[in-house]
Amino acid sequence: DAGVIQSPRHEVTEMGQEVTLRCKPISGHNSLFWYRQTMMRGLELLIYFNNNVPIDDSGMPEDRFSAKMPNASFSTLKIQPSEPRDSAVYFCASSYSNQPQHFGDGTRLSIL
Amino acid sequence: AQSVTQLGSHVSVSEGALVLLRCNYSSSVPPYLFWYVQYPNQGLQLLLKYTTGATLVKGINGFEAEFKKSETSFHLTKPSAHMSDAAEYFCAVSDTGANSKLTFGKGITLSVRP
Repeated sequence: DAGVIQSPRHEVTEMGQEVTLRCKPISGHNSLFWYRQTMMRGLELLIYFNNNVPIDDSGMPEDRFSAKMPNASFSTLKIQPSEPRDSAVYFCASSYSNQPQHFGDGTRLSIL
Repeated sequence: AQSVTQLGSHVSVSEGALVLLRCNYSSSVPPYLFWYVQYPNQGLQLLLKYTTGATLVKGINGFEAEFKKSETSFHLTKPSAHMSDAAEYFCAVSDTGANSKLTFGKGITLSVRP
């Protein structure tokens, strides 16, 4: 079991640039979640998909954030344009049926 | 709406001592409850879960938690702390199933003194 794979592990970029975070869920899992972790706000759910369809995106902070899941084995979270306050660790998690979520190791994003 | 309260941000115990990490939740329906552990620079790993049935739940690494509906609590315990238990611990609640939206507490950092 390869686990949830996120890339890149670290990203440093300048304010205003586009940032794309990638996630490969565990094979066979049909739900995918994007979380953001910061010291101030803790772990927050941004969006989640079920069978590749977005179910709840109420946690997406603003229009600069977008997420897609074109197929069952790949999802992206895009920030355009990026701002320093977007600096955080972004986690992807996946699950199947009524089983608990499995988390990736995260992408540590720094916006200068 | 559901919420999780983890009082305090840091707990320090001696090696071999009891570990007790507190979690209180709020949910309008019977909750699904979870404890996750996060080691530095890693993702969250499931320690244990409560869905239905037995209220005392055993997890990995010797941890257990008890669901107390009357107290809306799901405290995490371990009889004897080990140095390797030093990490951040998160309590989470879901009201619609284990694979749906999770609401996390702020997390508690556990330190273990030699």
